[in-house]
Amino acid sequence: GEDVEQSLFLSVREGDSSVINCTYTDSSSTYLYWYKQEPGAGLQLLTYIFSNMDMKQDQRLTVLLNKKDKHLSLRIADTQTGDSAIYFCALSGTYKYIFGTGTRLKVLA
Amino acid sequence: KAGVTQTPRYLIKTRGQQVTLSCSPISGHRSVSWYQQTPGQGLQFLFEYFSETQRNKGNFPGRFSGRQFSNSRSEMNVSTLELGDSALYLCASKGTGVNTEAFFGQGTRLTVV
Repeated sequence: GEDVEQSLFLSVREGDSSVINCTYTDSSSTYLYWYKQEPGAGLQLLTYIFSNMDMKQDQRLTVLLNKKDKHLSLRIADTQTGDSAIYFCALSGTYKYIFGTGTRLKVLA
Repeated sequence: KAGVTQTPRYLIKTRGQQVTLSCSPISGHRSVSWYQQTPGQGLQFLFEYFSETQRNKGNFPGRFSGRQFSNSRSEMNVSTLELGDSALYLCASKGTGVNTEAFFGQGTRLTVV
């Protein structure tokens, strides 16, 4: 079955870059997504990448995809305290999304 | 353009009761999916509805059911509630097209006591 793993925690200082990683086993997904979840809230779509791309930049967000190693990453430049949240990677399946375990990002002032 | 609306936001129910949650998708979206989020299991797919038909179902017991109306609004029902059903229930709305990213509602936090 599909397996999507993320490290549980990441702590960075305000102004630094954050890199959140995601590894997966099923490489058939056409699109790969990053979602953000703030306390008590739903999932907010941050960005996505098409499976035939290596990189996508969207303002402070950079997504890198290494299909050979089945590794996806999200880089947040100039991390702010408002970026503190849980970040989920998600792979598009046939009819559902397969979510990673989530990475809790804590930004220290 | 209004987002995905889920009601109610919070619910407290007693074991053995049943509950109905509601989801109004983004206007024009015909696909509605439901996910259960718990600390132990993470985000798990429950089912997907499209044009009033359940297209896909996750690995949940028959106590979990749903339906979709002609205006694409969806409801999910959980009968004979168990303590383990306590979770955040998220609804996702998708349009049609090449990249059909899912937009999520704020969720309904269900607590079973």
